[in-house]
Amino acid sequence: AQKVTQAQTEISVVEKEDVTLDCVYETRDTTYYLFWYKQPPSGELVFLIRRNSFDEQNEISGRYSWNFQKSTSSFNFTITASQVVDSAVYFCALSEARSGNTPLVFGKGTRLSVIA
Amino acid sequence: GAGVSQTPSNKVTEKGKYVELRCDPISGHTALYWYRQSLGQGPEFLIYFQGTGAADDSGLPNDRFFAVRPEGSVSTLKIQRTERGDSAVYLCASRWTSGSVDTQYFGPGTRLTVL
Repeated sequence: AQKVTQAQTEISVVEKEDVTLDCVYETRDTTYYLFWYKQPPSGELVFLIRRNSFDEQNEISGRYSWNFQKSTSSFNFTITASQVVDSAVYFCALSEARSGNTPLVFGKGTRLSVIA
Repeated sequence: GAGVSQTPSNKVTEKGKYVELRCDPISGHTALYWYRQSLGQGPEFLIYFQGTGAADDSGLPNDRFFAVRPEGSVSTLKIQRTERGDSAVYLCASRWTSGSVDTQYFGPGTRLTVL
């Protein structure tokens, strides 16, 4: 069975601080995908990144970076120099990589509040 | 371009009533998913369509829930004899697959409240 754990329920930081959101996953598959989505107060889930299980290179996109470590089954997300607009609930998700149905299995989310 | 749209954005109904929730996927996306998000939780998978057929409905909680996608585009999630526990945000996602790209794009959701 697949499972995603986001142990941090809520995080509050002051603007310009760096913040890391943790994600730990469980799967029996050797090939899988990992995702991060952002859910702002408007409610719509916004896709941030998709990562293949066989690609452990870290990725940076502007102020966002992701650290994928297969050895610890973790896919952590860091926001550098946080801004008020980063305030949202962030979800980590996992899906199998086989063809056909690949529903996402989500964690419970981490609510990030960035205070000006 | 246009994203996934869902109507209505909010639906309030009474226990025991029937409701229909509509999803318009991104044009050209053949795969469509329904998820349910309860307060303080992540979305949970309900059903998946590939074209017109329900390829996997293993996430539907019981037989009061049903979904259709008759022409392979718009989908309707139907809930009979609603219960208070059905209150949640119902999310629709359409999936784009091309080469190494395989991503689900979500709509804004329908917030269902059963009184």
